[in-house]
Amino acid sequence: KAGVTQTPRYLIKTRGQQVTLSCSPISGHRSVSWYQQTPGQGLQFLFEYFSETQRNKGNFPGRFSGRQFSNSRSEMNVSTLELGDSALYLCASSLSPGLNTEAFFGQGTRLTVV
Amino acid sequence: QQQVKQSPQSLIVQKGGISIINCAYENTAFDYFPWYQQFPGKGPALLIAIRPDVSEKKEGRFTISFNKSAKQFSLHIMDSQPGDSATYFCAASRKAGSARQLTFGSGTQLTVLP
Repeated sequence: KAGVTQTPRYLIKTRGQQVTLSCSPISGHRSVSWYQQTPGQGLQFLFEYFSETQRNKGNFPGRFSGRQFSNSRSEMNVSTLELGDSALYLCASSLSPGLNTEAFFGQGTRLTVV
Repeated sequence: QQQVKQSPQSLIVQKGGISIINCAYENTAFDYFPWYQQFPGKGPALLIAIRPDVSEKKEGRFTISFNKSAKQFSLHIMDSQPGDSATYFCAASRKAGSARQLTFGSGTQLTVLP
């Protein structure tokens, strides 16, 4: 079955702009989590969505937001981009939250802010 | 602070040798400890995971050793191969409300020399 699909793979944006990233989970998976990966901070949890509701949120400013649609696809948005937002943004899907079920990661979206 | 401390940052091992990566945590609420393997340009992939009621888990050449009292766990890669060269992340998961949250270690870049 198809894995987690993230689009686009690469993005270059200018400071102050906003960006929307998309994630399609594995078919049947209803939980989607987002992570930011940088060389300095490693993998940091952004938020998790299940049944179109945000269930958990990491320590990121309000410029980072997300949503989930009825088909479990998820988008994350970053507004007023800063240079420090340059990172690999990873999406992971799992069957449901609250359980120790395996999280499958997509290949990520590489965002560069210039 | 829900940190997971991982060491070493980088590791070079000869083919056929044993690779050992260590992690330590503070929060006793963590109850699931997965290890992820990440190749360049790919998202992390679950390698092996353990629960704290088990002291060791082995899957092929990969073994997790878990010391609940010391709040430490480690990954051992036996008979390391050049194809094992990747970045390895330990992680710890805890229940957060109705969801779960993964906290990652900082990663270990493993290089296995032929």
